[in-house]
Amino acid sequence: DSGVTQTPKHLITATGQRVTLRCSPRSGDLSVYWYQQSLDQGLQFLIQYYNGEERAKGNILERFSAQQFPDLHSELNLSSLELGDSALYFCASSSGVANQPQHFGDGTRLSIL
Amino acid sequence: AQTVTQSQPEMSVQEAETVTLSCTYDTSESDYYLFWYKQPPSRQMILVIRQEAYKQQNATENRFSVNFQKAAKSFSLKISDSQLGDAAMYFCAYRRSTSGTYKYIFGTGTRLKVLA
Repeated sequence: DSGVTQTPKHLITATGQRVTLRCSPRSGDLSVYWYQQSLDQGLQFLIQYYNGEERAKGNILERFSAQQFPDLHSELNLSSLELGDSALYFCASSSGVANQPQHFGDGTRLSIL
Repeated sequence: AQTVTQSQPEMSVQEAETVTLSCTYDTSESDYYLFWYKQPPSRQMILVIRQEAYKQQNATENRFSVNFQKAAKSFSLKISDSQLGDAAMYFCAYRRSTSGTYKYIFGTGTRLKVLA
């Protein structure tokens, strides 16, 4: 158990819809990362938050947005969903200290029908 | 921009044997971290081992060890006494050390099969 909690585990929805993925970081971790992993692909970095502030942005589509709340949990919002958005979305957290690695949640599997 | 390359899409190893997975990276920075993550069929991402670039000594975690060649920008993972449970996708990752901004860059992965 990494201590990172992602909900829901599975999400099935239709094209054009909007969904929200939630992540609770490990206790004490200030930094949250979001990744997208399409079928049999590597991890694509989407965005990073540190203590409520956006710190780094990767290949995140304009239809996607994220935020980190004062209690440090984070949400990833995906809108106007397309079939190609079907993927496993991972959240990871780290303390923000240089020598500490990130730890991953179990992911949310999003299926677009 | 930093890049991470895993040139072996798939590798096989006999149970109890040793296998080495390759990873190369490109960066102009001198201070950074390197990681190997394992993703079994359950799709969880599990940290296997990490290496700080400023350390010359290669990291070791039980049956897992790395060969870090900073000048060559190479970071290979050696798995000794391979077990069936080692079968998974293995991802190499690079992370810069700039305080607070730790963007990770992952390779495309190597699928390891362990043969009984």
